[in-house]
This record gives sequence, structure tokens and C-alpha cells, in this order.
Amino acid sequence: AQSVAQPEDQVNVAEGNPLTVKCTYSVSGNPYLFWYVQYPNRGLQFLLKYITGDNLVKGSYGFEAEFNKSQTSFHLKKPSALVSDSALYFCAVRDVSSARQLTFGSGTQLTVLP
Amino acid sequence: NAGVTQTPKFQVLKTGQSMTLQCAQDMNHEYMSWYRQDPGMGLRLIHYSVGAGITDQGEVPNGYNVSRSTTEDFPLRLLSAAPSQTSVYFCASSYRDSEHFYHEQFFGPGTRLTVL
Repeated sequence: AQSVAQPEDQVNVAEGNPLTVKCTYSVSGNPYLFWYVQYPNRGLQFLLKYITGDNLVKGSYGFEAEFNKSQTSFHLKKPSALVSDSALYFCAVRDVSSARQLTFGSGTQLTVLP
Repeated sequence: NAGVTQTPKFQVLKTGQSMTLQCAQDMNHEYMSWYRQDPGMGLRLIHYSVGAGITDQGEVPNGYNVSRSTTEDFPLRLLSAAPSQTSVYFCASSYRDSEHFYHEQFFGPGTRLTVL
């Protein structure tokens, strides 16, 4: 079985400071990992993914994520937060070889304070 | 490309009524899925399909039916609505790469359903 944990329901950060949204995962094989963002009353938008290759993945709007196989983590980061980054963020995982389903974490509400 | 479209955007039902949530995509994606989103619970998979004529159950399938007669359309039917089905419903589609692995999903704007 595959699973995702986002240990923080809420993350607050000041504008201009770096931000991190945490994600850990569990799969039996190799993972495909994804980050999505959801703005109020909108659908989910894809930010970035890890399939294979470099552990540091760059995505939309200046976000990046680091894949750490030994810690089974895929934390989302941004060097300098913007107020407009305030949204709900979801991490998701799929076991590459065995799963047709994508499993989502429970979400982390990011608030960037001006 | 319109991407993934969903209708209606809002719906209010009475307990016991039935209805169909529509979903369509114009990206020729093989994979389509339905999720429900409830506060504090993330997204939970209801049903999914890996191609026309092929459907399978997700995490929370009870009370819902699906069919996939074409690549483009993947409707979700509520058989007899219950207050526990009050939620926001998202449809999504995805593609496979040359090694047949599924990649990121593209989401529709959602349907907000209230069951009284």
C-alpha cells in the first residue's frame, strides 16, 4: 500500500522568507511524487514532479522540491515567499510499478504574511 | 484546449435523489478519475478508469457508479443521495509515458454538492 503524510496542517511564513512544506511517503517500489496547489474555490494545479534523475526538482512559480530516498521525503521549498503563494498545498505519490492510483496527503495550508 | 471540464458547478439535492456529475477532457488522456474533497481529509479517490470500457473502484466507491463509453467522458452517478455525500467533487485525467507509467493529473474546476 502507498501513503503520504503532510505533518503540518498549517504553515505561516513572512513574505520574503524561505518556505518549506513537508511531505513524507511510503511505497513498496519506486515512487512518482507530485506537488499540487489549490487556491480558494478552484481545482488543483500541478506544480512539479519527481520521476527519476536529479533529486532537486524545479517547478512552476519558483517552487522546488528535494527528493530524499533515505528519508522518504519530498519537501516543497521556495527561497522567497510571496503573499500570493498563500494556498492549500497537496503532496501525492504513486508506486511506479504497481499502482494505477494516486494517493494524496491531507494538505497543508500555507499563509504568507505581509 | 479546454482541458478538463465539469458540470454543474453547484448542485443541491434532497436525500434519496439521484443525479449525474459530468466530466469531459479533450487531451486524449487514457486515465480519468473522480475524487471527493472534504475538510481535513485531502482528496479521496472514488472511481477511476484506464480507458474506454474499463473502470475500477477507488478508496470510497460506495454510493457511486461510473462508466466510460468514450475516451473523453467519465460521468459519476449518485444513485440515492445521502447527506454524507455533501462534498466537493473533482474529476481529473492523466497520460501515460512510453514506459506506460502514469504522470501528473489535470484537474477540473470541481462540483460543489450539497445533500439536504
